[in-house]
This record gives sequence, structure tokens and C-alpha cells, in this order.
Amino acid sequence: EAAVTQSPRNKVAVTGGKVTLSCNQTNNHNNMYWYRQDTGHGLRLIHYSYGAGSTEKGDIPDGYKASRPSQENFSLILELATPSQTSVYFCASGATAQDTQYFGPGTRLLVL
Amino acid sequence: QQKVQQSPESLIVPEGGMASLNCTSSDRNVDYFWWYRQHSGKSPKMLMSIFSNGEKEEGRFTVHLNKASLHTSLHIRDSQPSDSALYLCAARGSSGNKLIFGIGTLLSVKP
Repeated sequence: EAAVTQSPRNKVAVTGGKVTLSCNQTNNHNNMYWYRQDTGHGLRLIHYSYGAGSTEKGDIPDGYKASRPSQENFSLILELATPSQTSVYFCASGATAQDTQYFGPGTRLLVL
Repeated sequence: QQKVQQSPESLIVPEGGMASLNCTSSDRNVDYFWWYRQHSGKSPKMLMSIFSNGEKEEGRFTVHLNKASLHTSLHIRDSQPSDSALYLCAARGSSGNKLIFGIGTLLSVKP
């Protein structure tokens, strides 16, 4: 099974601070995705990427930036964190859009 | 925007019983469906996928798809306490490059 790792696993941030969530996959998948999961909303797509150097806006991109410096790494950046961004964030990868997405273990972010 | 509706929101079945979960898409161009299972505190893991009309069986799990009604269902027979989890349905729609997830069905299997 595809190996997707995320760091940190838990993060406490202050309002207005900068937060960077990192994701690494070792299966040479082209596509990578960032989701957040909240009760009552399910999994919502924030940003995704087709490969190194590309980032695309998902369904809820406001307040987030993404960076894909290499095939293996995909970061999610909160430049000015707000309490509404408190959530569990999942990274996922997939070979193509038709293929199964494999999820990382998640990052719990608390913005105070 | 495309939506994926799942029902019921929660379900309790006895150990050894049958669990039936439903999922419908509002996008007529949906062509791929996935079912993911997420245990409490863990990440979603793909359980089954279906792309063609009909039925697909893997062990205790059976998935049905009716493309005309954009409806898929997941059936778990001989349910076990370890099947207790959040079941997420995902559909790939007209955009072709991303999945839309439903909110999920929370299944509890009681011994």
C-alpha cells in the first residue's frame, strides 16, 4: 500500500501565526491532495497538485496556500492562522485522478 | 456544486447482522465511486471501488452501482465489531480531477 506521511501529527498555533503542514509520499504518485475534515462537513478539498511545481485550488482554498517542490513533497501553508482553521488535515496521493487516493495519518491543528 | 448524499447518518446493527449503506450523487457525469472506511482517530482507507453498473463482491462486502440513478450501496454481511467505523462514499464527477466526499455513515456493530 502507498506510504504517505505527514508532519507534524499535532500542532497548536496562535491566531495570526504562520503554520506549515508537510506531506511526503514514497510511491511516485503524480497527484497529491490536501483535505480538512470537520464534523458535519466530511472531507473537503483545499488544494491539489498534478506534479512537481503545480498547485490547483480545491473547493475551499481561501486562507490556504500550497507548495509542491518535488514529486514526493506537498505542503499546506496557513499564512495567518485563524481559529476557524482548527481541524484535522489529511494529505492524500494517487497515481492519477482515476486511481484510489491513499491518505496520510492526519494532522490535528488547534488554533488558539 | 456536485454533492454526494449518504444515508443513513448513523446505523446500529447486531454482530452477525447485515449493514446496508447508501450513497447518491447529484452530478449526472459521475463515473467512478469509491467507498472508504475510517476507524475512529485514523485516516480513511479505501474499501471498495466500482465503475460499472452492477455488483461487486469482496468477502463480506458487496457494492452495487446503478449509473442511471447515480446510486451506489455498500452491504456488509456478518457484521463484526471491528466493522464499527465511519464509512465515506466518494465520487469522481464532471471535473474529472478530484473526488467529492459525502459526510459519511457512522456504523456501530453491537456484540
